[in-house]
Amino acid sequence: QQQVKQSPQSLIVQKGGISIINCAYENTAFDYFPWYQQFPGKGPALLIAIRPDVSEKKEGRFTISFNKSAKQFSLHIMDSQPGDSATYFCAAEGPHTDKLIFGTGTRLQVFP
Amino acid sequence: DAMVIQNPRYQVTQFGKPVTLSCSQTLNHNVMYWYQQKSSQAPKLLFHYYDKDFNNEADTPDNFQSRRPNTSFCFLDIRSPGLGDAAMYLCATSSLTSGGGETQYFGPGTRLLVL
Repeated sequence: QQQVKQSPQSLIVQKGGISIINCAYENTAFDYFPWYQQFPGKGPALLIAIRPDVSEKKEGRFTISFNKSAKQFSLHIMDSQPGDSATYFCAAEGPHTDKLIFGTGTRLQVFP
Repeated sequence: DAMVIQNPRYQVTQFGKPVTLSCSQTLNHNVMYWYQQKSSQAPKLLFHYYDKDFNNEADTPDNFQSRRPNTSFCFLDIRSPGLGDAAMYLCATSSLTSGGGETQYFGPGTRLLVL
């Protein structure tokens, strides 16, 4: 019940295309859903996050879509660039807890 | 800039030789975390401090210990490193309130190599 399932495991997109990564959770108590971006040899960096009171959040080329009834959320990267090539982790956290539950990660490669 | 700092960035140790990794933060966050991350895997939480309260994950080996002498600093001690402990070790912080989930800010990590 504490798992967050992430897909796909890897993704190859052409420059300018849309990258879509999906996550699903089971615990309806989760109330915070961040996405982290990690480059090789670096620590994860917060990319964008959403709480379940909204269905979508957009920051620049990055958008989170959130479907509370389906218990799913996804990251959309518009106009994907080679510099977006990294591993992306979705995560979830609930109230009265101080631990993130990470998805398994998606390795994104954007080719020129 | 406020940040999470980890030293050293790379650490080489010998099998069985104790090693200490350090983390400091200028964010004044009340929670500090240690994660282990192996290649192509998600970070795995080892333990965390909520203020001075230590919280160990059930599956964290006894070989791993931690100290938090003050708000700003946290240390990870590996008492007898094995080859399987070679990994990236990540420190993270958050400012947890009673309201629920908050952002965790990660440091750059320390890459540990065990020879």
